[in-house]
Amino acid sequence: EVQLVESGGGLVQPGGSLRLSCVASGFTFRSYWMHWVRQEPGKGMVWVSRISGDGTTTTYADSVKGRFTSSRDDAKNTLFLQMDNLRAEDTAVYYCARAIGLVAGVTAHWVFDSWGQGTLVSVSS
Amino acid sequence: DIQMTQTPSSLSASIGDRVTITCRASQTITRFLNWYQHKPGKPPRLVIYAASSLQSEVPSRFSGSGSGTNFTLTITGLQPEDFATYFCQQSQSNPHFTFGGGTKLEIK
Repeated sequence: EVQLVESGGGLVQPGGSLRLSCVASGFTFRSYWMHWVRQEPGKGMVWVSRISGDGTTTTYADSVKGRFTSSRDDAKNTLFLQMDNLRAEDTAVYYCARAIGLVAGVTAHWVFDSWGQGTLVSVSS
Repeated sequence: DIQMTQTPSSLSASIGDRVTITCRASQTITRFLNWYQHKPGKPPRLVIYAASSLQSEVPSRFSGSGSGTNFTLTITGLQPEDFATYFCQQSQSNPHFTFGGGTKLEIK
């Protein structure tokens, strides 16, 4: 069974840092792109970042670029999100998600087929 | 970024009802549209991908339709376990995916 378990959330002051972790099990972790998605209180999901299976390619949303860093330790089946210079607007539940391509007709469609249960990050003084 | 507008934001229905949720994209996304179900404290679950393809192990009472900018998720014959929040996601602009605001489906 595929399982993703996030941890590391908590209360932090503006300008502070946090490091989120996502431990994966039930699949060959190094073979998959992994993403972080967040949900601000009362709002919809927002894509944050992605990292390739070999860790060499990362992409970030403009809102976090230069402040957040995604990494992975494939030996420990763990995904990380280092969050620096946190702002009040970063307050959200953060989810890690596995991305796969599902074929419909002749086209591959990227989906998030497995998600964690989320970890809450609160940025407040 | 492609904006996704989902309506309604909340919906009350009874067991056995047929409900429809709509998602509109700010520009054409052909059929790059996915639907998820999310229950409190649980991970989101993929329900529909590519606008109308049913994800494995999802009951056939769930269906999706649409293309271009307008999409719908329909649940025919609501069951108790279907009460949850549903949200859409476009995957046209990989990896800058965007999501709808969600629809909370509640028991009437």
